[in-house]
Amino acid sequence: GEDVEQSLFLSVREGDSSVINCTYTDSSSTYLYWYKQEPGAGLQLLTYIFSNMDMKQDQRLTVLLNKKDKHLSLRIADTQTGDSAIYFCAERVGTALIFGKGTTLSVSS
Amino acid sequence: GAVVSQHPSWVICKSGTSVKIECRSLDFQATTMFWYRQFPKQSLMLMATSNEGSKATYEQGVEKDKFLINHASLTLSTLTVTSAHPEDSSFYICSASWAGASGMTDTQYFGPGTRLTVL
Repeated sequence: GEDVEQSLFLSVREGDSSVINCTYTDSSSTYLYWYKQEPGAGLQLLTYIFSNMDMKQDQRLTVLLNKKDKHLSLRIADTQTGDSAIYFCAERVGTALIFGKGTTLSVSS
Repeated sequence: GAVVSQHPSWVICKSGTSVKIECRSLDFQATTMFWYRQFPKQSLMLMATSNEGSKATYEQGVEKDKFLINHASLTLSTLTVTSAHPEDSSFYICSASWAGASGMTDTQYFGPGTRLTVL
């Protein structure tokens, strides 16, 4: 079945780059997404990538997709304390979104 | 654009009562709305998918008589937790999507969530 795996925690210092990794299993995924969730809040769509793309850059965010290895990563450049949150990777299979368990990013000043 | 609201944001109720949660797409017409449940420090679990004007499709293991979903219009879906019990306490999040938007087809936009506590 479908499964999305992420590491649970990442800790970085302010100003450094953060890289959050994700692996998925369903090769029929059409889109892959990164969502951000702050405490007690819903999910905010950060960025997405179509499955036939390798890379997408959007300001401080860079998404890399290795479709052969089913590996997705999100790089946040110049990480700020306001970036501290849980980041969810999700793959779209049909109309459903399959989420990972989320990576908690902690940014220290 | 693509703003989704939920109401209420937080509700406490007694065991045995029913609670209705609303999900609205504020600046677009949502052809499909989704309801998720999230346990503390866990991922989102899809409960059901609903299209406007038709019955919701429930995921395996989700009781349709317990979690009533109504999608009466293109901007409003409701989730009613009937005869709530403490084990129903959770964070409920809805999302909405529309078909055909160039480059963003069927992307889901999420509401801020509703925290339900059943005493």
